[in-house]
Amino acid sequence: DGGITQSPKYLFRKEGQNVTLSCEQNLNHDAMYWYRQDPGQGLRLIYYSQIVNDFQKGDIAEGYSVSREKKESFPLTVTSAQKNPTAFYLCASKRGGERQPQHFGDGTRLSIL
Amino acid sequence: GESVGLHLPTLSVQEGDNSIINCAYSNSASDYFIWYKQESGKGPQFIIDIRSNMDKRQGQRVTVLLNKTVKHLSLQIAATQPGDSAVYFCAERSGGSYIPTFGRGTSLIVHP
Repeated sequence: DGGITQSPKYLFRKEGQNVTLSCEQNLNHDAMYWYRQDPGQGLRLIYYSQIVNDFQKGDIAEGYSVSREKKESFPLTVTSAQKNPTAFYLCASKRGGERQPQHFGDGTRLSIL
Repeated sequence: GESVGLHLPTLSVQEGDNSIINCAYSNSASDYFIWYKQESGKGPQFIIDIRSNMDKRQGQRVTVLLNKTVKHLSLQIAATQPGDSAVYFCAERSGGSYIPTFGRGTSLIVHP
């Protein structure tokens, strides 16, 4: 079945540590996105990529980094510069074209040790 | 901007009732709208979408209504079931942007 796979489901970070969240899709979608979800809030965009080897900052990019070396993969690194990283992180992808819905993975929950 | 809070608006219904979840948007340039369902601990699941040149669109047990005059979107779920219990949120996309704006969501609780 086609879909978006995020791993791990749960992740713990020690202070000063960088951690990387994986996102893989086999939907052949061009665009991929990373969102952060905090309790009771809407999704906030961290980074997005419309095409391989290109990505743009979203609304809350500080303390995060991404790469897009392959169409299928869009990993997110939460760096030690992100002082409040505890959240639910969601990866999404979308077919080309403006009026297409994003499809989401099942998220990674990141907590601080 | 959005208000910040831990508690989402909640809609409680009895199994078998119809549910109506509402969403207001502010950008008159929005031309594409999407409803998502998010169960606890999972990612949002696409339910239905509608373009601004339509007023109504129906899916399986769901109907989305769009009132552009008052910038209001609603999701109607017929014969609500316990498995429909989740957070529902809308997203809007403005012309020329590839990035949708997401609402905070409404928590639907279905009592058996």
